[in-house]
Amino acid sequence: GAVVSQHPSWVICKSGTSVKIECRSLDFQATTMFWYRQFPKQSLMLMATSNEGSKATYEQGVEKDKFLINHASLTLSTLTVTSAHPEDSSFYICSAAKGDRRYNEQFFGPGTRLTVL
Amino acid sequence: GQQLNQSPQSMFIQEGEDVSMNCTSSSIFNTWLWYKQDPGEGPVLLIALYKAGELTSNGRLTAQFGITRKDSFLNISASIPSDVGIYFCAGRRNAGNNRKLIWGLGTSLAVNP
Repeated sequence: GAVVSQHPSWVICKSGTSVKIECRSLDFQATTMFWYRQFPKQSLMLMATSNEGSKATYEQGVEKDKFLINHASLTLSTLTVTSAHPEDSSFYICSAAKGDRRYNEQFFGPGTRLTVL
Repeated sequence: GQQLNQSPQSMFIQEGEDVSMNCTSSSIFNTWLWYKQDPGEGPVLLIALYKAGELTSNGRLTAQFGITRKDSFLNISASIPSDVGIYFCAGRRNAGNNRKLIWGLGTSLAVNP
């Protein structure tokens, strides 16, 4: 299998606080994990690509100091939304890739709904 | 960022009908993927295509990798209510370290029982 979990599944926080979201690959080691953001009725927007043990690569327009990514092990990556504001409210989804060079598809977590009041 | 042209944007069909949706690009891709997303969930991989002209089935789903490498289609036969959801195509240009996917905007499918 290729199961990816996310925690929490939803979170409500006050403006100015920081929120950490965990992404875990449960039954495989993921050389690469991806973080996406999705607005209602829109497609997935890639925020950053993270490889275990190295700094994440952020997409253009994504603030790396705002969205801190830590890929501490081959099964865990975390996204921390720092000093969250209402405009950060969104559906955040992670994915993990197994690492096979040719057939290296992304398996997605169930997502985390963030609401910033 | 770049996105794939996916159509139709939405479909409303009767149970039992067949469904077809497609994605096109102005540039070549080496991999085409089709995902389904249910409300409040992450996307689930349905079919992966790796070779131009490849035709692959997964139950009632069939997808093809266009011979020009610039398009792909997904067919669903004999639709059922649980087929409801948003279908996304995604493409990847190479199999190297850059595994970033380019996404379509999605096709929203509604099935009338």
